[in-house]
Amino acid sequence: DTAVSQTPKYLVTQMGNDKSIKCEQNLGHDTMYWYKQDSKKFLKIMFSYNNKELIINETVPNRFSPKSPDKAHLNLHINSLELGDSAVYFCASSQTPGQGAYEQYFGPGTRLTVT
Amino acid sequence: AQSVTQLDSHVSVSEGTPVLLRCNYSSSYSPSLFWYVQHPNKGLQLLLKYTSAATLVKGINGFEAEFKKSETSFHLTKPSAHMSDAAEYFCVVSDWTGANNLFFGTGTRLTVIP
Repeated sequence: DTAVSQTPKYLVTQMGNDKSIKCEQNLGHDTMYWYKQDSKKFLKIMFSYNNKELIINETVPNRFSPKSPDKAHLNLHINSLELGDSAVYFCASSQTPGQGAYEQYFGPGTRLTVT
Repeated sequence: AQSVTQLDSHVSVSEGTPVLLRCNYSSSYSPSLFWYVQHPNKGLQLLLKYTSAATLVKGINGFEAEFKKSETSFHLTKPSAHMSDAAEYFCVVSDWTGANNLFFGTGTRLTVIP
């Protein structure tokens, strides 16, 4: 059983389009995250959701919007795609943050290419 | 503020020889530290974590790391490299603010020479 899954694995699209990436976890975690990995392999958090509430929102353009229909899913919508959005996007999940830090479990990634 | 510095962007070892991947951290609080591995075109897998228990942490696949507060280091080691260890390794620090923010290092690419 896949713990954290993402679809699609590859996404090629043109500038200006709107696209979505889906993420699902079956670990029973309450918190989910989206990360962006650039061409130099640097990973940076974009969003996290805890019990359907956004608890992290880094300096990400508002063209990016996370949507969580339930605690097992956190989808990433991207409007008006730009060339600079090309990257690998990873979804992750963890137990609810609180008294300590919990490890995050990552999905396989979605490679987005904007042409 | 929390951050990690991975001192080597690329490490190359021969199969069967020891591996040392270096990481220094900076944290305003008692840090939680992790090592993740990313094989080519794959997601990230947790190797091990330190959360203020034993300073020597054992992980999967024979890896271990030692937390040294005096040196603010969390180096990753393995006694004998295997070809399957070739991958990108990330040192990661979190804090205890409750948001579980993870701050990634820039990664170290490990090459294993047959």
